[in-house]
Amino acid sequence: SQKIEQNSEALNIQEGKTATLTCNYTNYSPAYLQWYRQDPGRGPVFLLLIRENEKEKRKERLKVTFDTTLKQSLFHITASQPADSATYLCAPDSGGGADGLTFGKGTHLIIQP
Amino acid sequence: NAGVTQTPKFQVLKTGQSMTLQCAQDMNHEYMSWYRQDPGMGLRLIHYSVGAGITDQGEVPNGYNVSRSTTEDFPLRLLSAAPSQTSVYFCASSKTGKNNQPQHFGDGTRLSIL
Repeated sequence: SQKIEQNSEALNIQEGKTATLTCNYTNYSPAYLQWYRQDPGRGPVFLLLIRENEKEKRKERLKVTFDTTLKQSLFHITASQPADSATYLCAPDSGGGADGLTFGKGTHLIIQP
Repeated sequence: NAGVTQTPKFQVLKTGQSMTLQCAQDMNHEYMSWYRQDPGMGLRLIHYSVGAGITDQGEVPNGYNVSRSTTEDFPLRLLSAAPSQTSVYFCASSKTGKNNQPQHFGDGTRLSIL
């Protein structure tokens, strides 16, 4: 069955540094992969979508890569700020029709001043 | 911009009670879905709908019913609440059901079953 793995431990990064979050998937090949941000008590908010034929996607300080050989996506936040502290969810497509997305459990990112 | 609106925000039920979680979107999205989020489990798909009059089961549908009589509304019904249904429930919508569409989420309903 499909499996999505994100680092379950919190990631502590000093302000100004680049934060890198990892999403690994196994047993299937998604055509799309999305990243979401979730703040405490709120619903997830869409950040970026990358297609299997795209190696990299950027949006302001955010960058996502998609390596279909390694079955891995990396999510980077450059020049990190305390306001970037949140849980980040990886969501590859479910691999078939309109089945919604399959979400990873998320990585909690803490940016320390 | 209302987006996706969920009501109520919090609810406490006794085992065996029934209730309906409401979800409405004002973006004319065809696709709507319900997820539950539990500690250590991530978001899991309960039911989804690709348009008015069409619904289908997700990963964890047991104990829940849905209907989609209008494009805007997608209520989730708990028929006989059980403690295992204590969770945070999120409704989401997107333009279509294609997996290249961003999902728009509500802020959730926090449900406790005693």
